[in-house]
Amino acid sequence: DIVMTQSPDSLAVSLGEVATINCRSSQSLLYSSNNKNYLVWYQQKPGQPPKLLISWATTRESGVPDRFSGSGSGTDFSLTISRLQAEDVAVYYCQQYHLSPPTFGQGTKLEI
Amino acid sequence: QAQLVESGGGVVQPGRPLRLSCAASGFIFSDFSLHWVRQAPGKGLEWLSVISYDGNTKYYADSVKGRFTISRDNSNNTVSLQMDSLRPEDTAVYFCARGPRWSYYFDSWGQGSLVTVSS
Repeated sequence: DIVMTQSPDSLAVSLGEVATINCRSSQSLLYSSNNKNYLVWYQQKPGQPPKLLISWATTRESGVPDRFSGSGSGTDFSLTISRLQAEDVAVYYCQQYHLSPPTFGQGTKLEI
Repeated sequence: QAQLVESGGGVVQPGRPLRLSCAASGFIFSDFSLHWVRQAPGKGLEWLSVISYDGNTKYYADSVKGRFTISRDNSNNTVSLQMDSLRPEDTAVYFCARGPRWSYYFDSWGQGSLVTVSS
């Protein structure tokens, strides 16, 4: 199985600042035939299910603020949240879907 | 807007079965794969199973293979997870999630159903 490792495990950032969460996979998530990275990011607030933020490593889902951006390729990826707001407090997960079974990172807890 | 609502959770003794159901609405059910994902208390997310849009293909995580069975009813827009031989380590919130037909990520989730396996 592909192992997904996020860093840091927790992160405290001031309002209005930038938060960056990293995700590393044990195998490349880049599929050469379509040049796409099979990685998504989710946000999970307490007591709620995860919410899809970004697919294909960089494509923001409809309705997701443009403060959220994804980057990276191959085995190293990042989620950047700019102009941090109180509502961004959550646990963030990366997940690969390049190979079955789909696997998640352990999560990064973002606090203000 | 897609909506998924799980039901059937509760407290069950080790070794006993339990069946979860998920009712879907707001989208063309037969166009999407359906998955089950669980989250143990205070822990991360674990994918369990997928059933293809037409019900012909099913896959399972090793942790539940042979014990859990996924099924769907495209006429009633429901997906189910039959869980047999439950263990204490199966205690978790179980989420039903929708995925695109050909990719294993999850673009819509239910609120989850808590399953507690305890004597």
